[in-house]
Amino acid sequence: EIVLTQSPGTLSFSPGERATLSCRASQSISISNLAWYQQKPGQAPRLLIYGASSRATGIPDRFSGSGSGTDFTLTISRLEPEDFAVYYCQQYGSSLSITFGQGTRLEIK
Amino acid sequence: EVQLVESGGALVQPGRSLRLSCAASGFTFDDYAMHWVRQVPGKGLEWVSGISWNSDIIGYADSVEGRFTISRDNAKNSLYLQMNSLRADDTALYYCAKRGAGSYLDYWGQGTLVTVSS
Repeated sequence: EIVLTQSPGTLSFSPGERATLSCRASQSISISNLAWYQQKPGQAPRLLIYGASSRATGIPDRFSGSGSGTDFTLTISRLEPEDFAVYYCQQYGSSLSITFGQGTRLEIK
Repeated sequence: EVQLVESGGALVQPGRSLRLSCAASGFTFDDYAMHWVRQVPGKGLEWVSGISWNSDIIGYADSVEGRFTISRDNAKNSLYLQMNSLRADDTALYYCAKRGAGSYLDYWGQGTLVTVSS
């Protein structure tokens, strides 16, 4: 079973700053199977990035994804107030199994 | 517009059963795999189960294998989760989610709350 580790658990930034979130897999995964989600309090998760680097429909271009193998990154180039939320990476495996990272909370400094 | 509406959540005693439903609209339901994902309030996301478009492929998390059964009725555009032998650690908000064209979940419902407590 592939484990996704997101560290650190919480990051503190000011609006306008650049944020880089990390997701590390316990073994190499296909970039096509790596996605990122944003979740705000009281809301369902929202797809941000799929295929490691493709933005989902309607996602602003300040969000970008990169990486391969075991190391993946979500970058938010200029933080807006609405970007402070929890972010999860996800791996889609065989037999429809899905693994999520434990999440990184982005908080306002 | 894609809509996923979960129902069936309730307060239930340990050891009892519950059936969750997810009504889908706004897309061709029988073209896509569907999933259940749960979240303990204040905690992270946990995948529960997934089912292929034609029910040929089904997967479960180890934590629910043997107790939960996923199913779908394509004629009714509905997804189900039969939960038996419920335990306190099954308490969570249960989301229904649609697989996209690739390996990701592109639409999520708002969730239905299951509380297992005596």
